[in-house]
Amino acid sequence: DAGITQSPRHKVTETGTPVTLRCHQTENHRYMYWYRQDPGHGLRLIHYSYGVKDTDKGEVSDGYSVSRSKTEDFLLTLESATSSQTSVYFCAISPGQGANEQYFGPGTRLTVT
Amino acid sequence: SQQGEEDPQALSIQEGENATMNCSYKTSINNLQWYRQNSGRGLVHLILIRSNEREKHSGRLRVTLDTSKKSSSLLITASRAADTASYFCATDALRNNAGNMLTFGGGTRLMVKP
Repeated sequence: DAGITQSPRHKVTETGTPVTLRCHQTENHRYMYWYRQDPGHGLRLIHYSYGVKDTDKGEVSDGYSVSRSKTEDFLLTLESATSSQTSVYFCAISPGQGANEQYFGPGTRLTVT
Repeated sequence: SQQGEEDPQALSIQEGENATMNCSYKTSINNLQWYRQNSGRGLVHLILIRSNEREKHSGRLRVTLDTSKKSSSLLITASRAADTASYFCATDALRNNAGNMLTFGGGTRLMVKP
């Protein structure tokens, strides 16, 4: 999986609790992305990063925040988890413009009860 | 909103047959990509076709792009049971200097029966 790991791989949490998902890469790629995948919706972009401390919102960013303090790590935080955030979360990386194929991590299955 | 829409949503064929999946999109693109996802796994990049290309091959994969119709097709020839997966098209959108964003369609679920 192109040097991308996600942790945890599975998590069950209660409504209202904070949750942080971690994406770690060893490829030194500039761009990192967080997606969620839900039945009937395909993959939807939550947030992305185009460098250390440079992030921007995607299509479904409400309720999520991100941080990137190092090239290799991109964190996704749900400040107060809701049941609608139950989903499978994928991290992806890309070397950059002109070579914009994305390489995906194995995913994190999050259940909010 | 989904930029790319795959058709059909599900496809079941016998091993050895060809599988064709289609993708339609709405706005102008720089390139279009196809990805495969095996059950419970992350997406894997298959092939990229640029907006100035009409056809591209990679092994048993053939991708066509018709920018006038805003559509693409993915053909898998001589399918194998191991090709069973979901297939997604993704279109890119350059946004300022913030890197390339991809918009994914809902996918086609392909089942290849042995």
